[in-house]
Amino acid sequence: AAGVIQSPRHLIKEKRETATLKCYPIPRHDTVYWYQQGPGQDPQFLISFYEKMQSDKGSIPDRFSAQQFSDYHSELNMSSLELGDSALYFCASSSSTGNYGYTFGSGTRLTVV
Amino acid sequence: GESVGLHLPTLSVQEGDNSIINCAYSNSASDYFIWYKQESGKGPQFIIDIRSNMDKRQGQRVTVLLNKTVKHLSLQIAATQPGDSAVYFCAENINQAGTALIFGKGTTLSVSS
Repeated sequence: AAGVIQSPRHLIKEKRETATLKCYPIPRHDTVYWYQQGPGQDPQFLISFYEKMQSDKGSIPDRFSAQQFSDYHSELNMSSLELGDSALYFCASSSSTGNYGYTFGSGTRLTVV
Repeated sequence: GESVGLHLPTLSVQEGDNSIINCAYSNSASDYFIWYKQESGKGPQFIIDIRSNMDKRQGQRVTVLLNKTVKHLSLQIAATQPGDSAVYFCAENINQAGTALIFGKGTTLSVSS
């Protein structure tokens, strides 16, 4: 079965650079969620989109922005990167018409040097 | 073996033992709960879920118990195997389209042969 696809798997950026992470949800899933997970930490919710509109917002820094496109894929844009942004970034998707189950991608490991 | 509370304890068990991982959730309005397993460097993997109109749900080798009175959730793993070694997270949600899944602190399960 198709899963949530994230790209790239690994990304190395320097401080103050920008990064764009991509997420392709499971087909027919209309909602995507972004999470940030630091080493040894629980996943922290950043932001979500339902039917291409922002649906919920968590602890997303102002330097970050995201959107969901007409094909339901989503991109997380991160600017003025800081060392503390180094983390695993997960995307999850769900269907509002299904059982609300959330399926996670394999994540993007961002390292800021 | 059993873990307690929201903290991030390490639960160590012997292969074949039953494991119990506990979680206290925070939002009394939450009505959907999921247990995830996360292996190092990978995304959270769905184990089992339960809705607030139930107090028990069984899967293959796993059982989730929900006590809404004290806002407590537990995951029981029968006949624990070395492949069960991972970090386990409980997560809660108010079961509305687009709303975030909020994770609790993880419990690291170590299974020795």
